[in-house]
Amino acid sequence: DTEVTQTPKHLVMGMTNKKSLKCEQHMGHRAMYWYKQKAKKPPELMFVYSYEKLSINESVPSRFSPECPNSSLLNLHLHALQPEDSALYLCASSQDRTGMYYEQYFGPGTRLTVT
Amino acid sequence: ILNVEQSPQSLHVQEGDSTNFTCSFPSSNFYALHWYRWETAKSPEALFVMTLNGDEKKKGRISATLNTKEGYSYLYIKGSQPEDSATYLCAFNTGGFKTIFGAGTRLFVKA
Repeated sequence: DTEVTQTPKHLVMGMTNKKSLKCEQHMGHRAMYWYKQKAKKPPELMFVYSYEKLSINESVPSRFSPECPNSSLLNLHLHALQPEDSALYLCASSQDRTGMYYEQYFGPGTRLTVT
Repeated sequence: ILNVEQSPQSLHVQEGDSTNFTCSFPSSNFYALHWYRWETAKSPEALFVMTLNGDEKKKGRISATLNTKEGYSYLYIKGSQPEDSATYLCAFNTGGFKTIFGAGTRLFVKA
């Protein structure tokens, strides 16, 4: 199974709401990633977890809170978002401990709209 | 700020045409260069991971070359088919988990 699943596919939330995005993989990968992508822009790295520990936080605002409860699951908790946070949120995983030499496997993304 | 540039931004070709596009990246602190294909409404899918200067990789009709000294990689598609229509992303790794993506080349192949 080389699939990374993400739920929900679409999410519309108000600026006062709290919601979560979920990502799951069963490939035994120990590195998991969150990316944000705005239209016609490159995916931008937000967070990386390695062996369930936060390895990289790219200075992401605290209204985004990642969580890695186990090696298969990655969550992104959202609170008090702004309309400019509307984007496609991609999850990925990879098998390499160092992250460099192996491809990342991506989910289809969650399309988030903040109203 | 590290920048990865891809050109052209979009490309329209006829079925059967061969085509190529470019990914430019910083020539210092190079560890790896990744290519991904992203079809509409699907997940990005890995094509190649390239690590050595002069590397050439091939998968079916798609191939890629790497020049780390001058900081570029080419992706070639031979005999384009409508199913090759997708966005092709390259991503530059500076070591560790940090991967910097280009904005992609959007390929349209007309039957």
